Amino acid sequence: KAGVTQTPRYLIKTRGQQVTLSCSPISGHRSVSWYQQTPGQGLQFLFEYFSETQRNKGNFPGRFSGRQFSNSRSEMNVSTLELGDSALYLCASSSQGSGNTIYFGEGSWLTVV
Amino acid sequence: QKEVEQNSGPLSVPEGAIASLNCTYSDRGSQSFFWYRQYSGKSPELIMFIYSNGDKEDGRFTAQLNKASQYVSLLIRDSQPSDSATYLCAVLTGTASKLTFGTGTRLQVTL
Repeated sequence: KAGVTQTPRYLIKTRGQQVTLSCSPISGHRSVSWYQQTPGQGLQFLFEYFSETQRNKGNFPGRFSGRQFSNSRSEMNVSTLELGDSALYLCASSSQGSGNTIYFGEGSWLTVV
Repeated sequence: QKEVEQNSGPLSVPEGAIASLNCTYSDRGSQSFFWYRQYSGKSPELIMFIYSNGDKEDGRFTAQLNKASQYVSLLIRDSQPSDSATYLCAVLTGTASKLTFGTGTRLQVTL
């Protein structure tokens, strides 16, 4: 059974640009959530989607957005990138959206220069 | 007060010893509790989750939950150098899959 797949794995962007990250959850999982991990702030929740609906959102500015498609794949977008957005972005999938086992993908390393 | 607290460590234990990692949480409504292991430069890997008071064992790992005292712990028996990593405690509250993480405890298993 394939795990959570995130693309791209590594990317470098310039301040002011935007970026789109993609996540394919484990087959059959309908909940996808996104996290940002930085050395200073640790792992912080961005948002969660279940059946194409955003169910929960963390304390991030509106530059961070996401969506989920009918096949449960999800994308997150960060617009007007800032240096502080440099981080590991992690996608997690869960089977029922109610907190059963939650598995993480390998993450997308974003560097903003 | 942080929602999920862990001692940042490093916690150093000799090979073969028992490593004990602790975590406290503030929200009494928290429902499920997860332990993840994260190697440097890698993503978190799920070790165990627990939602009922008491102990849950899986191989060399035992998770312990005490909701009255609002703490959860992870015991690693027969610690190996490959167990050296950062261990993240995460708490789930509510119906959405939103995890709140502690800052992690760095474990060092010495030869």
